[in-house]
Amino acid sequence: DAKTTQPPSMDCAEGRAANLPCNHSTISGNEYVYWYRQIHSQGPQYIIHGLKNNETNEMASLIITEDRKSSTLILPHATLRDTAVYYCIVRVANRDDKIIFGKGTRLHILP
Amino acid sequence: DTAVSQTPKYLVTQMGNDKSIKCEQNLGHDTMYWYKQDSKKFLKIMFSYNNKELIINETVPNRFSPKSPDKAHLNLHINSLELGDSAVYFCASSQAGRGGEQYFGPGTRLTVT
Repeated sequence: DAKTTQPPSMDCAEGRAANLPCNHSTISGNEYVYWYRQIHSQGPQYIIHGLKNNETNEMASLIITEDRKSSTLILPHATLRDTAVYYCIVRVANRDDKIIFGKGTRLHILP
Repeated sequence: DTAVSQTPKYLVTQMGNDKSIKCEQNLGHDTMYWYKQDSKKFLKIMFSYNNKELIINETVPNRFSPKSPDKAHLNLHINSLELGDSAVYFCASSQAGRGGEQYFGPGTRLTVT
């Protein structure tokens, strides 16, 4: 079973920041937080991952709380193309291990 | 410059047939995976191979047999297809020591009639 809890769906206005929360209260010390998304009819796409420090790349920012029990993925300026299911996953990094996908959050970007 | 490619994209076949799905990655990764996404959109791991060796084999019927001729290819052969095999099958690849992120192919939609 997935070790994360996400809201089933969220709406965000186009051009605004989309903030997607994730709870992972049982995360272990050596587990990272990963985010993937799946745009309709496409394969999942890696977005970002982090251990305890905040991370930013060209796609998004990842904010992890100090106790590491929750995190937020931020899409700074959402566009219609960001409409997708977003998956928050915790797993040990640098290993060739399976990804256990939960139900994710269906993000709707509204024009 | 496709990173992970799958063929075919769509596959429609009848019950009882045998079919194969092919996957290729040009990322130089040493691990490849097969995932299944059912009609309820749940994504689940089926198999993974590292350098042509099977390392993950989830509870999958014996009718499914992965084959890795080299580390850039992982094919999925399915015998005696059943209605319940209808799903989207995704191939993925990753490289150990680079962060663990996996790169997925576009998927193969299998419909068994």
